[in-house]
Amino acid sequence: DVKVTQSSRYLVKRTGEKVFLECVQDMDHENMFWYRQDPGLGLRLIYFSYDVKMKEKGDIPEGYSVSREKKERFSLILESASTNQTSMYLCASSLHRDGTNSPLHFGNGTRLTVT
Amino acid sequence: DQQVKQNSPSLSVQEGRISILNCDYTNSMFDYFLWYKKYPAEGPTFLISISSIKDKNEDGRFTVFLNKSAKHLSLHIVPSQPGDSAVYFCAASATSGTYKYIFGTGTRLKVLA
Repeated sequence: DVKVTQSSRYLVKRTGEKVFLECVQDMDHENMFWYRQDPGLGLRLIYFSYDVKMKEKGDIPEGYSVSREKKERFSLILESASTNQTSMYLCASSLHRDGTNSPLHFGNGTRLTVT
Repeated sequence: DQQVKQNSPSLSVQEGRISILNCDYTNSMFDYFLWYKKYPAEGPTFLISISSIKDKNEDGRFTVFLNKSAKHLSLHIVPSQPGDSAVYFCAASATSGTYKYIFGTGTRLKVLA
């Protein structure tokens, strides 16, 4: 079974703080993703990575950056947290390559509150 | 511009009856579709998927139907159980090109005992 582990279930941070959200997967998946989930807006893609040190912007990258130094680990960074970044953050991984289909596997999420 | 749409924010169904959740998409490059179930404070759980070469895929109580000409897919749950009460998301992806999975806004299903 694929396991995607997010380091924190709940986080409370102050406005302006630098925030790191960590995610690790154990299935040697090439692709990793960060989404945020907000009521009425569904899951929106922030950033994704299809290889070590490779990253691509998703639909809402502003205010975020990512790091993928190792294949199994994908970090989301909020350079200067703001209250509108209060949300549920979901990390996922997949084996998807050109010509193949594979589902996303999600972690349990990190509920971030910025005060 | 929302490429994947779930137009019903909520649905209530009696236990034992059929639940039908709908999803529409606009991008004709999408050829792989998935349904996820999400409980509060947990990550989404993969339920079932379908490739565009098929029009139906079944797994136990869950069946997904794909109508490519209408760019529409639906998830049928038969029979519905109280434990099925959750938010359901559909998602779409293109097998070639980028590796993005685009999600709809979700439908909250409530199964009444």
